Amino acid sequence: NAGVMQNPRHLVRRRGQEARLRCSPMKGHSHVYWYRQLPEEGLKFMVYLQKENIIDESGMPKERFSAEFPKEGPSILRIQQVVRGDSAAYFCASSHPQGSYEQYFGPGTRLTVT
Amino acid sequence: AQSVSQHNHHVILSEAASLELGCNYSYGGTVNLFWYVQYPGQHLQLLLKYFSGDPLVKGIKGFEAEFIKSKFSFNLRKPSVQWSDTAEYFCAVGLTGRRALTFGSGTRLQVQP
Repeated sequence: NAGVMQNPRHLVRRRGQEARLRCSPMKGHSHVYWYRQLPEEGLKFMVYLQKENIIDESGMPKERFSAEFPKEGPSILRIQQVVRGDSAAYFCASSHPQGSYEQYFGPGTRLTVT
Repeated sequence: AQSVSQHNHHVILSEAASLELGCNYSYGGTVNLFWYVQYPGQHLQLLLKYFSGDPLVKGIKGFEAEFIKSKFSFNLRKPSVQWSDTAEYFCAVGLTGRRALTFGSGTRLQVQP
């Protein structure tokens, strides 16, 4: 019973490059969430998606960041033209579509921008 | 703005000591409350949750938390900690009807044998 999968676990990008982070939810889960954790801070909500729909993107930066959750395949968080301030741990979580608001987290992707 | 405060950033205890970690939130509406734990090198795991009903909630590994609505608090407790409880603990709050969670900044617990 695989949990939430994220890859890569570590990603190094130079300033100006693009970063793509992938998240496969738990089996049976169709809701995906992305959070960002800056050093010495808690997780900050970025976006909530269901299959092919963005439900809540109130935490997404207005520029350079986008997220998708296609009908087939993993959810992708895309950061264009990365800057040093994007260095952080990015966590994905998933939840079941019915009832409970429990979110199950993946191991995270640690992005380092050099 | 909505916020969650964890006042203890770093706690050091000896084994068998009692633990209480504070969590306060500022929200106007009905809330769902969570405590997550992150053991070294592992991902976040749900310790316990509160949606409604009995304000004293029991979770895994002997942890419990009490929701005090008048104090906007959801403190985590354990009567006797073990070395294996060394981890970072996060309090999280969500508004009922909205799935986004707001997290506190975390409390790093170090249990000395």
